[in-house]
Amino acid sequence: DTGVSQDPRHKITKRGQNVTFRCDPISEHNRLYWYRQTLGQGPEFLTYFQNEAQLEKSRLLSDRFSAERPKGSFSTLEIQRTEQGDSAMYLCASSFRRGQDTEAFFGQGTRLTVV
Amino acid sequence: GNSVTQMEGPVTLSEEAFLTINCTYTATGYPSLFWYVQYPGEGLQLLLKATKADDKGSNKGFEATYRKETTSFHLEKGSVQVSDSAVYFCARTNTGGFKTIFGAGTRLFVKA
Repeated sequence: DTGVSQDPRHKITKRGQNVTFRCDPISEHNRLYWYRQTLGQGPEFLTYFQNEAQLEKSRLLSDRFSAERPKGSFSTLEIQRTEQGDSAMYLCASSFRRGQDTEAFFGQGTRLTVV
Repeated sequence: GNSVTQMEGPVTLSEEAFLTINCTYTATGYPSLFWYVQYPGEGLQLLLKATKADDKGSNKGFEATYRKETTSFHLEKGSVQVSDSAVYFCARTNTGGFKTIFGAGTRLFVKA
């Protein structure tokens, strides 16, 4: 296992189109997270899953955004009717809950550009 | 608001200089603290961590000590190299420990 992988690495889309990103976490990790990072800022939490259950969603995640993790393994993040403000790097991370040791391992991200 | 505050960059140093990047946090309870690094064109990588007060995290010559009394987790390195040029993010877990809250990042440039 080579770590968290995300696909695609880059996506350019026209405003109003729908896009879907995929994340494959480290195989034994039961937690999966989505973050968004804009230029010059740190990653901002969007949502997280423990196994297949989505346990928290940030207020940043408008109703145009939906995330799934149907079998507790890979996850998808869909953005409907994209807007220019959605342009950002979307990061996926995974971790294994073990006491206090909850460090997250990040993928390389999907860079979305909405034109 | 953001509960992790780190010094603004960019920080520009000459090779072999001493590095300090300040980080303070606000939290209830006892979060775990982290420094992540993002090299140009690469993803976020965990650099070091500390899970309780007075713990010192260290890796690749970098160190940071969990100071509960000052709610700080400053990153230090005694002698930086050009290859240390990157963006450094201070972070903490939230209460409950299921998500990571990041600072805005500090860009470091090291000149030969």
